[in-house]
Amino acid sequence: KQEVTQIPAALSVPEGENLVLNCSFTDSAIYNLQWFRQDPGKGLTSLLLIQSSQREQTSGRLNASLDKSSGRSTLYIAASQPGDSATYLCAVSSLYNQGGKLIFGQGTELSVKP
Amino acid sequence: KAGVTQTPRYLIKTRGQQVTLSCSPISGHRSVSWYQQTPGQGLQFLFEYFSETQRNKGNFPGRFSGRQFSNSRSEMNVSTLELGDSALYLCASSPLLAGNTGELFFGEGSRLTVL
Repeated sequence: KQEVTQIPAALSVPEGENLVLNCSFTDSAIYNLQWFRQDPGKGLTSLLLIQSSQREQTSGRLNASLDKSSGRSTLYIAASQPGDSATYLCAVSSLYNQGGKLIFGQGTELSVKP
Repeated sequence: KAGVTQTPRYLIKTRGQQVTLSCSPISGHRSVSWYQQTPGQGLQFLFEYFSETQRNKGNFPGRFSGRQFSNSRSEMNVSTLELGDSALYLCASSPLLAGNTGELFFGEGSRLTVL
């Protein structure tokens, strides 16, 4: 059974810092991995999608890496801003059971202080 | 391009009642998935519909059901509501390619409170 873990559960940093959020999964038979952002009381915003054959994806100040063999992904945020404060979730889809089903981690709550 | 639209955004029901939530996917997306989010369990997959057929189902009781219409709009229904059904219900649509899971795009959710 696939399990996704995100560490740390919460993180507080001063504005301008570079930071890394971690995501690990127990079954390496994944089809893709997706990072989301969720603001309080809101839905999820897709940040980056990495296919299992890819090693990393970049969008602006965000860079996500994937090491399928070790079951790890990281989300790197450069030059953090107060507007980056949100909960960040990673989710994986299984290679053998797809159809819109993602397994989510519990998220990392990020607070960027001005 | 309009995003995923969910209605209603907020609703309050009492135990034993039933509720229907609606989701309109992004134009051109044929896959619609539903998720339940609670503080204790996090995000859990309910079911997924593609071309009006349920293709995948999570581990929820039969009180949770759904359907998809020919225009890809989807509804989910929860019957005989319990206090534990209070949650944020999220709908996601995806531009599925050849049956694989593509990128998921989520709506703002429907916040259900059961009293």
